[in-house]
Amino acid sequence: NAGVTQTPKFRVLKTGQSMTLLCAQDMNHEYMYWYRQDPGMGLRLIHYSVGEGTTAKGEVPDGYNVSRLKKQNFLLGLESAAPSQTSVYFCASSYDSQPFFGQGTRLTVV
Amino acid sequence: AQSVTQPDIHITVSEGASLELRCNYSYGATPYLFWYVQSPGQGLQLLLKYFSGDTLVQGIKGFEAEFKRSQSSFNLRKPSVHWSDAAEYFCAVDYRGQGNLIFGKGTKLSVKP
Repeated sequence: NAGVTQTPKFRVLKTGQSMTLLCAQDMNHEYMYWYRQDPGMGLRLIHYSVGEGTTAKGEVPDGYNVSRLKKQNFLLGLESAAPSQTSVYFCASSYDSQPFFGQGTRLTVV
Repeated sequence: AQSVTQPDIHITVSEGASLELRCNYSYGATPYLFWYVQSPGQGLQLLLKYFSGDTLVQGIKGFEAEFKRSQSSFNLRKPSVHWSDAAEYFCAVDYRGQGNLIFGKGTKLSVKP
């Protein structure tokens, strides 16, 4: 039982490049979330999903897209990376209002 | 909009001293409340949570928190701080009961020997 797994752990992108962050959970949770963490800002919700095939915007959705084609996976995409998207990204899934977090992805856009 | 306030950005305490980290939320009803700890470069570790019932909640590592409805607060306490408690602490609130959290901006704890 791996819980919530994020791939990759670290990535450096050049401005304008695209990439996809993968979040996988093996707990059969309906709800999944993507957050970003910036110094002095706490964690802020980017997008979330309440079930397979559904997505919704969170607090800071601009510049990101998401997909939930399979219940166990929640993908976060950056179509054209910008330096402002340099951050640590956390994925979470939840059951019975209890969130379970992944270990994070540190993304640097240069 | 709902919000979570952690008024102290940085706190320094001596090892062995008591600790209280403050957290206030803005909402009429009682949300679900959480405290997380994060060491540098690490992920989030859940210290404790409050959903309902007894307003004094015990967590891991000797931490406790008290929910006070009248003050919309959920302060974290520890009677005697250890050097290993140095980290950043986040209060978080779930207003909709779906695991969708709103986080405070965090309080960084430093521990003096």
